[in-house]
Amino acid sequence: QIQLVQSGAEVKKPGASVKVSCKASGYTFSKYAISWVRQAPGQGLEWMGWISARNGDTKYAQKFQDSVTMTTDTSTGTAYMEMRSLSSDDTAVYYCARVTYYYDNRGYYGSDYWGRGTLVTVSS
Amino acid sequence: QPVLTQSPSASASLGSSVKLTCTLSSGHRSYIIVWHQQQPGKAPRYLMKVEGSGSYNKGSGVPDRFSGSSSGADRYLTISNLQSEDEAHYYCETWDSKDHVIFGGGTKLTVL
Repeated sequence: QIQLVQSGAEVKKPGASVKVSCKASGYTFSKYAISWVRQAPGQGLEWMGWISARNGDTKYAQKFQDSVTMTTDTSTGTAYMEMRSLSSDDTAVYYCARVTYYYDNRGYYGSDYWGRGTLVTVSS
Repeated sequence: QPVLTQSPSASASLGSSVKLTCTLSSGHRSYIIVWHQQQPGKAPRYLMKVEGSGSYNKGSGVPDRFSGSSSGADRYLTISNLQSEDEAHYYCETWDSKDHVIFGGGTKLTVL
């Protein structure tokens, strides 16, 4: 079955960086993209960006353009999201989700399977 | 860029039906949306994709009680025979022409 297994919870100090992983199984990793979405405590879903596992193309939300880097390792079927210069506002659960992306003119076509989330706590 | 509008809350009785709405902003009436369910303390779960035509494509394992439809700029999620486990937040998702993703604010459904 299709699974996205995320790395464990992290506690970081302000100004530090964090790298969250998302290991995919049950499907051909390179045929899809991976989206990253975060959810602050008691809040809704906030899209951060996505990365194509086929060619590494990325698309970031403007808010995260300078602080986030998304990468993939196709040899292990794993996607990574690194966030720098953390502040307390970045305390949230970070989710990865599989994305259907068509390389014809249709492009992004929605997310389906989700990881269980990784809690990142930023505190001094 | 499209904006998705959802009512913050909804409620319905156990065993009844409820219709949740996700409204696309002006100029984006033809857009596809995706419905996700998030039960308390859990990750979101894909429910279905709903097109402007009203056709929908459910995820694996999503009960038959869940269905989708469309009218103009509105995209609907209808849940019939409400169960206690349907109490959750429901989010809609879409994307713009530059492949930027947008989420609605979510609707909290309470089963009475």
